[in-house]
Amino acid sequence: AQSVTQLDSQVPVFEEAPVELRCNYSSSVSVYLFWYVQYPNQGLQLLLKYLSGSTLVKGINGFEAEFNKSQTSFHLRKPSVHISDTAEYFCAVSDHSNQGGKLIFGQGTELSVKP
Amino acid sequence: NAGVMQNPRHLVRRRGQEARLRCSPMKGHSHVYWYRQLPEEGLKFMVYLQKENIIDESGMPKERFSAEFPKEGPSILRIQQVVRGDSAAYFCASSIGAGRQETQYFGPGTRLLVL
Repeated sequence: AQSVTQLDSQVPVFEEAPVELRCNYSSSVSVYLFWYVQYPNQGLQLLLKYLSGSTLVKGINGFEAEFNKSQTSFHLRKPSVHISDTAEYFCAVSDHSNQGGKLIFGQGTELSVKP
Repeated sequence: NAGVMQNPRHLVRRRGQEARLRCSPMKGHSHVYWYRQLPEEGLKFMVYLQKENIIDESGMPKERFSAEFPKEGPSILRIQQVVRGDSAAYFCASSIGAGRQETQYFGPGTRLLVL
């Protein structure tokens, strides 16, 4: 079965510092990978997704992620964070075992940006 | 183009009552997914529906939970005889197509509290 592991439940960082949020997945077949952001009391918003092609994916708000097949990772990065990036971030993989594209989510990483 | 709409945003029920959660997908989207987010956890898939059909309900609890997506009107997630363990945020997502690569757009969620 597919699964997603987000290695850090909380990541505190100072404003304008770089950040990396880690995500590992397990799958024996080709994968589609997603990063979503959830601001307090809101729904999820897509940051970026990897379907195929270039392993470096650029998303909204200055975020990017790199797909690494050999390490089964899809880490999210931003070179300089803002206070407004404070939110919960979820990595997800699209399940291949059934019809449709149900998502399997990691536990989430809470990013806290301090001034 | 309005996003995914969910109502109510907050719902309080006493044990044993019924809860009805509504989801209106984005215009032009005919695929709806329901996810549940328990406190301090990631989102878990519940059910995937297309108009008038349940395609995948592998994540639905066997009892008390049901979902529908009629030809006209919103998708409904119904929880009968609620218990305290049902307290969670319930998110609906919609997509324009059925493929694994399709982006799912999430609503703001319904936060259910069972007293």
